Amino acid sequence: ILNVEQSPQSLHVQEGDSTNFTCSFPSSNFYALHWYRWETAKSPKALFVMTLNGDEKKKGRISATLNTKEGYSYLYIKGSQPEDSATYLCALPSGGYQKVTFGTGTKLQVIP
Amino acid sequence: DAGITQSPRHKVTETGTPVTLRCHQTENHRYMYWYRQDPGHGLRLIHYSYGVKDTDKGEVSDGYSVSRSKTEDFLLTLESATSSQTSVYFCAIRLGMDQPQHFGDGTRLSIL
Repeated sequence: ILNVEQSPQSLHVQEGDSTNFTCSFPSSNFYALHWYRWETAKSPKALFVMTLNGDEKKKGRISATLNTKEGYSYLYIKGSQPEDSATYLCALPSGGYQKVTFGTGTKLQVIP
Repeated sequence: DAGITQSPRHKVTETGTPVTLRCHQTENHRYMYWYRQDPGHGLRLIHYSYGVKDTDKGEVSDGYSVSRSKTEDFLLTLESATSSQTSVYFCAIRLGMDQPQHFGDGTRLSIL
């Protein structure tokens, strides 16, 4: 089983603060990494697909970077808003790339 | 949004009864997945399919079976439901090896 770790497990920030969290994974046999946003009582929605070392993707106030050599990806949120409150998951294809293994997520709560 | 529908959306049943959950897609994608959501574990893979009649186990497959007789339908069966199988179940499809998954809205299953 691929070991995908996310930290921190949970995070409380004030509205307007910037924040970041980490996804760590084995650097060997990297294929791709996906970030998802998962709001309470909804289903996960894909944010980014990262495939190349040094990739940087951005969507509005949210951005992500990838370092495949050292086995980590960062997700950044600039100027957090209450609507950013969600669990953020990272996932990697595994097992011959047919399976997908998820980290346990970082739960973000933005306090107005 | 990808056309993926889960049914039923909610179900309450008793220990020892069989239960079947259905995932239906309109996108003709090859890969389909069943996950369960558990506190502290995020999303855990139960079974997945890589084509009609081609399925394989995930990390928490004990007590579950699946079938895929048509591209569009992926069924998850609990042969004899137990209280430990109370969870929210998500179906997902995947557009390609490096692509993220698209999730259904989930099925909330309670086993009393």
